[in-house]
Amino acid sequence: GAVVSQHPSWVICKSGTSVKIECRSLDFQATTMFWYRQFPKQSLMLMATSNEGSKATYEQGVEKDKFLINHASLTLSTLTVTSAHPEDSSFYICSAQKGLAGAYEQYFGPGTRLTVT
Amino acid sequence: QQQVKQSPQSLIVQKGGISIINCAYENTAFDYFPWYQQFPGKGPALLIAIRPDVSEKKEGRFTISFNKSAKQFSLHIMDSQPGDSATYFCAAKSDQTGANNLFFGTGTRLTVIP
Repeated sequence: GAVVSQHPSWVICKSGTSVKIECRSLDFQATTMFWYRQFPKQSLMLMATSNEGSKATYEQGVEKDKFLINHASLTLSTLTVTSAHPEDSSFYICSAQKGLAGAYEQYFGPGTRLTVT
Repeated sequence: QQQVKQSPQSLIVQKGGISIINCAYENTAFDYFPWYQQFPGKGPALLIAIRPDVSEKKEGRFTISFNKSAKQFSLHIMDSQPGDSATYFCAAKSDQTGANNLFFGTGTRLTVIP
């Protein structure tokens, strides 16, 4: 199997607070995990690539200081939205990569719905 | 710049019919082409994937057709069912280095009418 979990599944927070989202690969080790953001009825937008034990690689336009990513182990990556504002409200999805070079597969978590009031 | 172009944007099919979704890409370094199915409020689920060494891959009612020379690939859903109603995303990546991310199409919203 290849199961990826996310916690929490949904969260409501007040403007100015920080929120942490966890992404776990439950039955495999993932040296690389990815964080996406998805707006309603739109495709997935890659925010950053997270490699275990090293700094995340952020996509152009994504604020590193606002979206803190930590990949402390082969099964856990976290995304912290710092000083959240209403415009940060979105569906955040992580994915974990399984396999070896030439045979990778990417599995997604169930997503986290963030609402900032 | 959209690395992977997907069409149609939406599709309505009668139960039992065939659903066909098409994707095209430009980057010849891409060598891994997955399709994902996403239900509202859920994360995408890997449905089926193909690598360019074959022209077709079938898993149950789902078939990927791949045309390397045309740089196109498509998803065929045979005997479409109302439970197949979801958004489908094609994607592509270069699979030789693990850090390379997936490039997604814009999605196709499929509705299967009973």
